[in-house]
Amino acid sequence: KAGVTQTPRYLIKTRGQQVTLSCSPISGHRSVSWYQQTPGQGLQFLFEYFSETQRNKGNFPGRFSGRQFSNSRSEMNVSTLELGDSALYLCASNTGTAEQGYTFGSGTRLTVV
Amino acid sequence: EDQVTQSPEALRLQEGESSSLNCSYTVSGLRGLFWYRQDPGKGPEFLFTLYSAGEEKEKERLKATLTKKESFLHITAPKPEDSATYLCAVQAASGGSYIPTFGRGTSLIVHP
Repeated sequence: KAGVTQTPRYLIKTRGQQVTLSCSPISGHRSVSWYQQTPGQGLQFLFEYFSETQRNKGNFPGRFSGRQFSNSRSEMNVSTLELGDSALYLCASNTGTAEQGYTFGSGTRLTVV
Repeated sequence: EDQVTQSPEALRLQEGESSSLNCSYTVSGLRGLFWYRQDPGKGPEFLFTLYSAGEEKEKERLKATLTKKESFLHITAPKPEDSATYLCAVQAASGGSYIPTFGRGTSLIVHP
């Protein structure tokens, strides 16, 4: 079956701009989580959506937001980009219970200049 | 606050040289401990879930074990294709949020 698909794979943005990243989960997976990965901080949880509702949220500023559509596809948006937002953004899906492990996408590499 | 510490940060092995990676954790009641493998430029790939002390799981050259305070990922006779970053994550049983907390990972390089 198809895996988790993230688009775009690479993105270069200028400070102050905004960006939208997309994630298509595995068919049948209703939970979608977003993570930020940097060399200094590792994997940091952003938020989780389940059935179009934000179920959990990490400790990130309000510039980071997301949403989930009825087909479980999810988007995350970062407004007023800062240099420190440069990172690999990973999307992960599962059936809704984390015990089964997450299936991650290959990520979107965002560079803010 | 849940904490996960992985050691060593980096490990270089010769092909065939067995070793272990460590994951120490502090959590208010363990619901599950997860191991992932991450190759450069890719997302983490799920390997194992361990639920209780004494549990062991194996996959090819990898064996994961769990105690009440730590988990080990044993790599037997590694090959160069085992080179990757290995991530450990814990999920707490209490507190409502079951979002896993990840460690920083161990970067493994296996030389031929």
